[in-house]
Amino acid sequence: QKEVEQNSGPLSVPEGAIASLNCTYSDRGSQSFFWYRQYSGKSPELIMFIYSNGDKEDGRFTAQLNKASQYVSLLIRDSQPSDSATYLCAVLKGGATNKLIFGTGTLLAVQP
Amino acid sequence: NAGVTQTPKFQVLKTGQSMTLQCAQDMNHNSMYWYRQDPGMGLRLIYYSASEGTTDKGEVPNGYNVSRLNKREFSLRLESAAPSQTSVYFCASKDQGHQPQHFGDGTRLSIL
Repeated sequence: QKEVEQNSGPLSVPEGAIASLNCTYSDRGSQSFFWYRQYSGKSPELIMFIYSNGDKEDGRFTAQLNKASQYVSLLIRDSQPSDSATYLCAVLKGGATNKLIFGTGTLLAVQP
Repeated sequence: NAGVTQTPKFQVLKTGQSMTLQCAQDMNHNSMYWYRQDPGMGLRLIYYSASEGTTDKGEVPNGYNVSRLNKREFSLRLESAAPSQTSVYFCASKDQGHQPQHFGDGTRLSIL
């Protein structure tokens, strides 16, 4: 079992729809969770981070965390073609606050 | 703001050649990281440095060496390049605690 798992996609959504990206993790001691966006040929850029159970909203983005289910998700409302990218879920390992473990990413394609 | 700066951006090597990838950050971060990214494999940690003067192996350290020259700089060396080391290499840094990593623009390395 991978430490951080994501569906590789592609996830295709029409413009204006809600895109839902999901991630599960195996280390129950994990405390911090991050979503990065990576355009083709570019470096990862941070979109959201979440530490507590529940929802965290920032503009069109909402991160959701459920530690009991070891599940974190990213919702993108009013999806735009410019949101088309690979979204990487990253988890800070419990007990060692220096190593981020990345999932392999979900490719999102927003169709105009 | 420069953030994390990687040099070179592109490099082509012949099998057996050596080279050093340079990384510098101006955010006064304690921790620095080297990743490689290959299609379908996500970001894999090669080495990291939790603080100046310390380095530790990550998931795929074989064939690489690192030097944490000072708090700002963390270099990655390939002593005898192999075609399997063809990849995109990212350097990242983070502050202490549950903070996100910040990435450089990457080095695209091809080994013939």
